[in-house]
Amino acid sequence: QSVLTQPPSVSGAPGQRVTISCTGSSSNIGAGYDVHWYQQLPGTAPKLLIYGNTNRPSGVPDRFSGSKSGTSASLAITGLQAEDEADYYCQSYDSSLSGWVFGGGTKLTVL
Amino acid sequence: EVQLVESGGGLVQPGGSLRLSCAASGFTFSNYWMHWVRQVPGKGLVWVSRINSDGSSTSYADSVRGRFTISRDNAKNTLYLQMNSLRAEDTAVYYCARVTYYYDSSGYTAVYYFDHWGQGTLVTVSS
Repeated sequence: QSVLTQPPSVSGAPGQRVTISCTGSSSNIGAGYDVHWYQQLPGTAPKLLIYGNTNRPSGVPDRFSGSKSGTSASLAITGLQAEDEADYYCQSYDSSLSGWVFGGGTKLTVL
Repeated sequence: EVQLVESGGGLVQPGGSLRLSCAASGFTFSNYWMHWVRQVPGKGLVWVSRINSDGSSTSYADSVRGRFTISRDNAKNTLYLQMNSLRAEDTAVYYCARVTYYYDSSGYTAVYYFDHWGQGTLVTVSS
């Protein structure tokens, strides 16, 4: 069971908008620790998608955006494309565990 | 171009040992903290361990503390993970990852995120 909670799956049609939630607690997201997001395409290593809640590394399309409020964070993907089909993970730091924590991952299916 | 290449994975019996390596190139290795993250095939990512830039400070997940040791050789641009007393539940793909940091809004707390990952090496613990 992961410290950060994500829905196991989400889906959307090409062109649509989807959001993926990431819920934590008072020892991680709620304590003010920033949230980062990673995309893992099938059979590949994770890739940084969003850092510091809202920032995109160079090369990441602006279709991807992040937000954080209270003990939760969200990743939004607009204008869904077939190539977005992947697993998405949120990540933060947990002061009770004194370690880095991930969500359980969300599988995005483009219908 | 940043490159991280893991090696050393394989099949090992329960109770056995294995040492993973991660060869880094394309950046000044000695300037960066490094981590190991693992993933059971078909499951999620789990943080394992981290080491600071000069190797003087380390930390571990509870599940591996006392059995795994992270280290680095900055002269060889290589990160290591020595895994002892291996258990079936240690079976996973092990990724090395570089972290980059910034300071949060307070200006006092460094925030680390994984900006580059290796391709992973599979460790299978089975008799």
